[in-house]
Amino acid sequence: AQSVTQLDSHVSVSEGTPVLLRCNYSSSYSPSLFWYVQHPNKGLQLLLKYTSAATLVKGINGFEAEFKKSETSFHLTKPSAHMSDAAEYFCVVKPYSSASKIIFGSGTRLSIRP
Amino acid sequence: NAGVTQTPKFQVLKTGQSMTLQCAQDMNHNSMYWYRQDPGMGLRLIYYSASEGTTDKGEVPNGYNVSRLNKREFSLRLESAAPSQTSVYFCASSEGDTGNTIYFGEGSWLTVV
Repeated sequence: AQSVTQLDSHVSVSEGTPVLLRCNYSSSYSPSLFWYVQHPNKGLQLLLKYTSAATLVKGINGFEAEFKKSETSFHLTKPSAHMSDAAEYFCVVKPYSSASKIIFGSGTRLSIRP
Repeated sequence: NAGVTQTPKFQVLKTGQSMTLQCAQDMNHNSMYWYRQDPGMGLRLIYYSASEGTTDKGEVPNGYNVSRLNKREFSLRLESAAPSQTSVYFCASSEGDTGNTIYFGEGSWLTVV
């Protein structure tokens, strides 16, 4: 069975400090993994995705994520937080060959302190 | 390039009323999806359509029906709205194969009173 767990429901950091949003997954096959961002009252925007190529994936707005198969993790990081990064972030698992079982994490709300 | 367009953006219904949420994509994607988003629960799949002419139930299909009118359009119908269906609804599309990005609409805020 596939699942995805976002380990923190809320993360608060100061502007200019690093961001770490944690995601662990469980999948029977090699999955594709995504991070999406949702700003208030908006749709979901793709930040980055892993599709079995390089394990370190760079996305938009300075975000990156590292796929670690041994730890079944896909944590999202950014070296320096900006006020505009305040949003909800979703880790998504898309298992191989099954369009129906796209699985969303419950989300992590990122707050940025001035 | 509009991507995924869904209407209406906001709607208030009375219990028992019916309505249809419309969704269209202009990326020639095979797969389309309807999700609902509730606080603290992420997105849950209501129905999906892997290709034109096919639809399948997702995680929370009860109280909903869908229609894949053509490759572009995928509508979600509430036949008899209930307060438990108050939610934000997102339509999405993708190529369906592993690794392909899922594109989302802007969302439809539905309140059932």
